[in-house]
Amino acid sequence: DIQMTQSPSSLSASVGDRVTITCRASQGISNYLAWFQQKPGTAPKSLINAASSLQSGVPSKFSGSGSGTDFTLTISDLQPEDVATYYCQQYYSFPLTFGQGTKVEIK
Amino acid sequence: QVQLVQSGTEVKKPGASVKVSCKASGYTFTNYYIHWVRQAPGQGLEWMGIINPSGGRTTYAQRFQGRGTMTRDTSTSTVYMEMSSLRSEDTAVYYCARSDTGHRLDYWGQGTRVTVSS
Repeated sequence: DIQMTQSPSSLSASVGDRVTITCRASQGISNYLAWFQQKPGTAPKSLINAASSLQSGVPSKFSGSGSGTDFTLTISDLQPEDVATYYCQQYYSFPLTFGQGTKVEIK
Repeated sequence: QVQLVQSGTEVKKPGASVKVSCKASGYTFTNYYIHWVRQAPGQGLEWMGIINPSGGRTTYAQRFQGRGTMTRDTSTSTVYMEMSSLRSEDTAVYYCARSDTGHRLDYWGQGTRVTVSS
């Protein structure tokens, strides 16, 4: 199975800050990488697939990059509505696997 | 609009079975795969398996093989996930999610809470 490791596990930043979350795959996955946002008590929401392609309707403050084993999710101009847990996920091979999540809070 | 609507909360005793449904609408049911993902309380996301509604073919994560069964009913555009021999560790919210043939998950159901307790 491909292991996905996110860092940090949690972060606290100020409104307006730019934050970056890192995701590392245990083997190369090309660009078969997605990012999800999950707010408490709700289902995950798709933000990005193919490492950098924004899902329809997702604001451009979210951006993704990377290929192979190392990926990043960047959130620009952090706002209170961005408070959530963010997960990366590989769909290169079965079983699909997720990172452990990064909890983003406002300082 | 695309919607995946799941069945309601379940409470089961250890050793029992549970069957969760996921009704799709707003798209051609047989053109997209359905995955099941679960989330234990306070934990991350765990992929359970996938079903192709077109032919019914399934692939399961190893830890659910033998205990999990995914089926579909094309007449009602509904997918089912049944888990047997439930134990307390199966207490979780179970989600269905749609993907294209490239397995990119796009739409998710609202989740079904399953509690296993004696």
